[in-house]
Amino acid sequence: NAGVTQTPKFQVLKTGQSMTLQCAQDMNHEYMSWYRQDPGMGLRLIHYSVGAGITDQGEVPNGYNVSRSTTEDFPLRLLSAAPSQTSVYFCASSYSAGGNEQFFGPGTRLTVL
Amino acid sequence: DAKTTQPPSMDCAEGRAANLPCNHSTISGNEYVYWYRQIHSQGPQYIIHGLKNNETNEMASLIITEDRKSSTLILPHATLRDTAVYYCIVRVYSGGGADGLTFGKGTHLIIQP
Repeated sequence: NAGVTQTPKFQVLKTGQSMTLQCAQDMNHEYMSWYRQDPGMGLRLIHYSVGAGITDQGEVPNGYNVSRSTTEDFPLRLLSAAPSQTSVYFCASSYSAGGNEQFFGPGTRLTVL
Repeated sequence: DAKTTQPPSMDCAEGRAANLPCNHSTISGNEYVYWYRQIHSQGPQYIIHGLKNNETNEMASLIITEDRKSSTLILPHATLRDTAVYYCIVRVYSGGGADGLTFGKGTHLIIQP
């Protein structure tokens, strides 16, 4: 199993540009989520999904969209990038939303100029 | 979810046991204690979790006090690769996912050669 994979590893955007961060898992997990981590801070939940076709907002959803058309994929879209979205983004998955062990991807380091 | 308090940093000699404390004095009866760690620039990694009994796996042991107001993560024979930020997280096992995992600032454990 590849586990949780994220692409790209690094990305530089200009203010106002849009892009999609990809996340995929091959463990047939129902629950997937996106976090951001700012320097010296803990992770904060952006959006999550408890299954295909179902998504909901986390703690810091503004400026981000998600969709879940398949169990495997959970892309995160930045609609109009802002410097405040400069961060490291982690995708995670688990068997269910019920507090099981969560598996994290390696992260995408995003810089918005 | 209950709030947790951890020391910001700790040192431990290689080969010795690393004992990482966590205070969670407001923990509720249905909340579990989870430990994750994050090695520099990588995604968080699940270590162990427990409710009230002590737990052990191949990575670590978790000791929870009888009143459940604090716990200790024990890495029995620390190696240089255990240098990481360790997060103590308290949450309801059957959480619906809306709150995700609440990562504080954790404890930066440095293993000294």
